Amino acid sequence: AQTVTQSQPEMSVQEAETVTLSCTYDTSENNYYLFWYKQPPSRQMILVIRQEAYKQQNATENRFSVNFQKAAKSFSLKISDSQLGDTAMYFCAFMKHVWTSGTYKYIFGTGTRLKVLA
Amino acid sequence: DAGITQSPRHKVTETGTPVTLRCHQTENHRYMYWYRQDPGHGLRLIHYSYGVKDTDKGEVSDGYSVSRSKTEDFLLTLESATSSQTSVYFCAISETNQPQHFGDGTRLSIL
Repeated sequence: AQTVTQSQPEMSVQEAETVTLSCTYDTSENNYYLFWYKQPPSRQMILVIRQEAYKQQNATENRFSVNFQKAAKSFSLKISDSQLGDTAMYFCAFMKHVWTSGTYKYIFGTGTRLKVLA
Repeated sequence: DAGITQSPRHKVTETGTPVTLRCHQTENHRYMYWYRQDPGHGLRLIHYSYGVKDTDKGEVSDGYSVSRSKTEDFLLTLESATSSQTSVYFCAISETNQPQHFGDGTRLSIL
């Protein structure tokens, strides 16, 4: 069974600094997708970045980038030049295609609460 | 933003009463999901749908049922609400191998 582990329940970072959130997962699949979602106090779930497992190049979206280590099953999120608006809960998620049912299975980590300090 | 509307946004009810939450999408996406979010547990899948009248259970389906009679609507029903079902409920939609997009959530309190 797939699992997603976020080992840092809470983190803080000074404004304008860089922070890295950790995520590890366990799977025997070769093809899958990984995502980071952000949940600010408004409760919305916002997609931050996605990574396809077959791509070696790490995904980047503006100040957000990932370090995808497929062999180590690690998918960390780096936030550069942290801003107060980055304060949120961050969830790592794993997705794969279930061939027997034709559906897609998503597994979420328990989240890391990030606070950006002024 | 993906067109997903959850209703109601907030609800307070009593133990033993039936409760129905609605998820409505305007994206014509095939897959729809219901999750609950609780502190320390992240998001846990309750039920999902892969087409009209096609649904299946997730990891925490006990005490919940779902229905999808139209592509755009996915209903979650608590047949007889219990205090352990107090939670924030999220609906999500997706298409093929795309990431899920979420509604704004429903905060449900069962007294």
